Amino acid sequence: NAGVMQNPRHLVRRRGQEARLRCSPMKGHSHVYWYRQLPEEGLKFMVYLQKENIIDESGMPKERFSAEFPKEGPSILRIQQVVRGDSAAYFCASSSLPGQGTFGSGTRLTVV
Amino acid sequence: DAKTTQPPSMDCAEGRAANLPCNHSTISGNEYVYWYRQIHSQGPQYIIHGLKNNETNEMASLIITEDRKSSTLILPHATLRDTAVYYCIVRVARETSGSRLTFGEGTQLTVNP
Repeated sequence: NAGVMQNPRHLVRRRGQEARLRCSPMKGHSHVYWYRQLPEEGLKFMVYLQKENIIDESGMPKERFSAEFPKEGPSILRIQQVVRGDSAAYFCASSSLPGQGTFGSGTRLTVV
Repeated sequence: DAKTTQPPSMDCAEGRAANLPCNHSTISGNEYVYWYRQIHSQGPQYIIHGLKNNETNEMASLIITEDRKSSTLILPHATLRDTAVYYCIVRVARETSGSRLTFGEGTQLTVNP
């Protein structure tokens, strides 16, 4: 029973490139949440998705960021035209019931 | 979701109990108290949650005051691997839909040998 799988663990992108972060939820989990943790800061909610639907994207930056959770396959957090300020750890969590979300190990994005 | 207040840091000797306090004076009747921790460079880990009764599991105990305005997470025999940032989160547990977690600054617990 694998946990929440995120890949890649580390991602380096040059300014202006696209970053695609993947999250495979635990088996049977239909709720996925993305959080961002900037250096030396706490985790901030970004977006909450259920299969094929975005439920709450109130924490997503207005531009360049998008998320999806297709019927088949992992959830994807996509960052277009990355800038240095996007460098952070991005964590995904999944749950079948609210409140007991299981987190993945995160993707550490470095923009150079 | 109600806001929480935690001390920024605490120290504890290995093998002793670690008692981490949390104030949530504006908690509503339908809000639960959740505790998570984040060991350096890892994803947050769920520890325990409760509504008004004290709770215990294999990791920790949660003591909630009668007026529910504060709580204490107890690690009965702290080990070096318990060194982490501990987050106290208050939120509604919706049964039919998910809800996000609002992380504050947390308490950096350092367990010393």
